[in-house]
Amino acid sequence: DAGVIQSPRHEVTEMGQEVTLRCKPISGHDYLFWYRQTMMRGLELLIYFNNNVPIDDSGMPEDRFSAKMPNASFSTLKIQPSEPRDSAVYFCASSHRRLPYNEQFFGPGTRLTVL
Amino acid sequence: DQQVKQNSPSLSVQEGRISILNCDYTNSMFDYFLWYKKYPAEGPTFLISISSIKDKNEDGRFTVFLNKSAKHLSLHIVPSQPGDSAVYFCAASATDRDDKIIFGKGTRLHILP
Repeated sequence: DAGVIQSPRHEVTEMGQEVTLRCKPISGHDYLFWYRQTMMRGLELLIYFNNNVPIDDSGMPEDRFSAKMPNASFSTLKIQPSEPRDSAVYFCASSHRRLPYNEQFFGPGTRLTVL
Repeated sequence: DQQVKQNSPSLSVQEGRISILNCDYTNSMFDYFLWYKKYPAEGPTFLISISSIKDKNEDGRFTVFLNKSAKHLSLHIVPSQPGDSAVYFCAASATDRDDKIIFGKGTRLHILP
């Protein structure tokens, strides 16, 4: 299996622009998680899905952030409009309930820079 | 409100010696604990875990100890090797409540030659 795939790996954009991050989870996994890593806050959970349904979005910073999972093999995290404080590394992870509890498999991340 | 705390941002250990990484948690609902390892430009990878019904779990050079009364866990690496240089994240989950993992901020481990 190719593992969790994220694109793009790097994104540089200007303040006010829309940014879309993409994730393909491991086939057969029924959970998908979006995280953000910053120096100040470490690894924060933004939102997670189970069977394509959003379960908990309490970590989404504000209305500028939205996430969708239209099918079991694809998810997007959108920031509109982007701001410099959104600069971070964004990770997608997937897991399966039958795995050892909550053993999540992470993608390589998308490094976002908002100028 | 940090529910999982890793108070040492970094740690340097001589190759061959023991590395001890510490983690404290505040939420008594947590019943499953994990350690993840992260290399630069890669995502975190699962390393080892422990259920709250145990106080020790060992996997090769890695051992995790859990002290529930102190709400403290530690990861021991013996002997430390150069490839162990990475950021280590402590994480916790309340498996009866939901499927989330709460991560600490991480500790950067440097193994010195």
